[in-house]
Parts: sequence; C-alpha cells; structure tokens
Amino acid sequence: QVQLVESGGGVVQTGNSLRLSCVVSGFTFGHFNFHWVRQAPGKGLEWLTVISFDGRNEYFAESMKDRLIVSRDDSKSTVFLQMNRLTDVDSAVYYCARSRCIGRSCQLDSWGQGTLVNVSS
Amino acid sequence: IQLTQSPSSLSASVGDRVTITCRASQGITNKLAWYQQKPGKAPELLIYAASTLHSGVPSRFSGSGSGTVFTLTISSLQPEDLASYHCQQVDTYPWTFGHGTRVEI
Repeated sequence: QVQLVESGGGVVQTGNSLRLSCVVSGFTFGHFNFHWVRQAPGKGLEWLTVISFDGRNEYFAESMKDRLIVSRDDSKSTVFLQMNRLTDVDSAVYYCARSRCIGRSCQLDSWGQGTLVNVSS
Repeated sequence: IQLTQSPSSLSASVGDRVTITCRASQGITNKLAWYQQKPGKAPELLIYAASTLHSGVPSRFSGSGSGTVFTLTISSLQPEDLASYHCQQVDTYPWTFGHGTRVEI
C-alpha cells in the first residue's frame, strides 16, 4: 500500500540546520510531485515546498524560500527537506505528502505521519 | 492567494447539518481541496476540484463553489467527524491553506 514515512525530526538548537527525510513505498516514486507541509502546535497547516516528479522544478512558500532546500533521490525513493537558520517559530510537525493530478486538478492524496521538530535555545 | 476560512470553530450535535466556508482572495476556478484532520493524526484528503469526493469518503460530505467562494457541508454530523477541516487552493504556487475549522460534537 501507499506509504510515506518521515524521519529526521528532534530537538535542534536555534540557528542550526536540519535535514528531514521522507521514504515512500507502494507506488512509482518517479511519477509524482512531493510536498512538505508543517503544522505548529495548535495551529493550521502551512504549505512549504514542492519538488516535481523529475526534480527539475521547485516552488517555495514566500516566507521560507531563503531557508529551504528540497531534493529527491529516485534511487532511494526518498525526498529531503533541509531547513537552515532555525528559530522557535519553526517548531512544528513536518509532513511529507504526494500530489496526484486527476485531469487538471492536483491535490495531496497521501500523507506521511509527520515528524516533530522542536527548536530550542 | 489568501484563503479565509470560517468559522474557526463550531459545536454541533449528531445529525446536524454543518457548513464551512472558504473564501479565496482571487479567483481559483475550482482548484480547491478539503482535508480532514482528526486529533493527533495527519490530514486526509476529503474533496478535490471543489466538489469531487475522494475515494472512500462518506457521501454525507459534499463540496461546492467556484471562483472565490467555496463550501464544505456535512449533511448529518456523526461522532467520528470530530476533526479539524482545512481548505487548500491548488491553483497557483505557492499553494496555501485556510486557517482551519475545528468541529466539536
């Protein structure tokens, strides 16, 4: 079955960097775009970034684009998110999600369980 | 594109009809999705293309709207519908979410 499993979260000090991973299985990795979405405690969802199926295109939330790097390794069916210069407002659960397009409509049809990042001084 | 979701929370009884509204700051045709997020869980796709039910979603859920105003309706609220509901525009990158609506039973 379709699975996305995030890892790499934990406690990180303010100002440091963190690299999250998302390993997928149960479908053809190279056919899909992948997104990262985060949710701070008690808050709504915040879309962060997407990497295209072929790795050639990336888009970022305006507020985050200077601090994020998204990449993918097709040989490992893995998507990565690197976040730099972390502050306490980056403390959140980070989700990896797959987007599926039906006709001209694309949506996030499969999500991982999330990985928790806690930025602390 | 900004999405304004209302209300931010609501309390209703089992069997009630519940409506949540999502307004976009500019026209997005039907490029809107709705997600359900149960406490402590990851979001799950409910509706895409504004009105198409995702596979396995109960028929008491429905979506409507086009352009800038969209609604999610639960025709008869069930105990398992306790969750937060989020709209998302998928018309233009960067994709954006509404702030969510918490539904209490």
